Amino acid sequence: KNQVEQSPQSLIILEGKNCTLQCNYTVSPFSNLRWYKQDTGRGPVSLTIMTFSENTKSNGRYTATLDADTKQSSLHITASQLSDSASYICVVSLFYGNNRLAFGKGNQVVVIP
Amino acid sequence: GAVVSQHPSWVICKSGTSVKIECRSLDFQATTMFWYRQFPKQSLMLMATSNEGSKATYEQGVEKDKFLINHASLTLSTLTVTSAHPEDSSFYICSALGQGALTGNTIYFGEGSWLTVV
Repeated sequence: KNQVEQSPQSLIILEGKNCTLQCNYTVSPFSNLRWYKQDTGRGPVSLTIMTFSENTKSNGRYTATLDADTKQSSLHITASQLSDSASYICVVSLFYGNNRLAFGKGNQVVVIP
Repeated sequence: GAVVSQHPSWVICKSGTSVKIECRSLDFQATTMFWYRQFPKQSLMLMATSNEGSKATYEQGVEKDKFLINHASLTLSTLTVTSAHPEDSSFYICSALGQGALTGNTIYFGEGSWLTVV
């Protein structure tokens, strides 16, 4: 069973609308949780990184939340743009080192005009 | 900001030949780099962890003689796919662990390399 589960697997939203992506993890203890954006055929780009003591982190129109008690994180995209069409990957770092990462399968977002 | 460069971006090779992919950290030193493989609509799968000046650590199921990794300097790691076969066709991505005040605790990914074996 994957240590990081993301939902929904894919979604289509209208340009200008908001959406929320979910990430549930079982990794424990963990060091930090990251959200990456990956365009098709490109490498992932970091959006946010949160330690276990942080509850929220924003990066422009992207806002990530973290509940370490329930082991849940979300990524909220505000006023979506066509360029937001991508896969959003939740990555959890294991506590004993940044070289151990658990990847979610990603949320595939398609923004339509 | 910190940048990780991969080269080539895409390569087509004949079955049985070897292909080398380079991963460079352009403006920071990376003692640790990681190599991943990604199939369409799948998550990134860690293949190996590359440490500067020492042997790479391979994940279970990854053939070390098939996927040769060399991390000879603090800014360069290479992945060589030896005797490539069509099933090796995939998207290969590297990442580098930033250290220090400016890049610390952040993992930067390269743009990826598409390998097609015909």
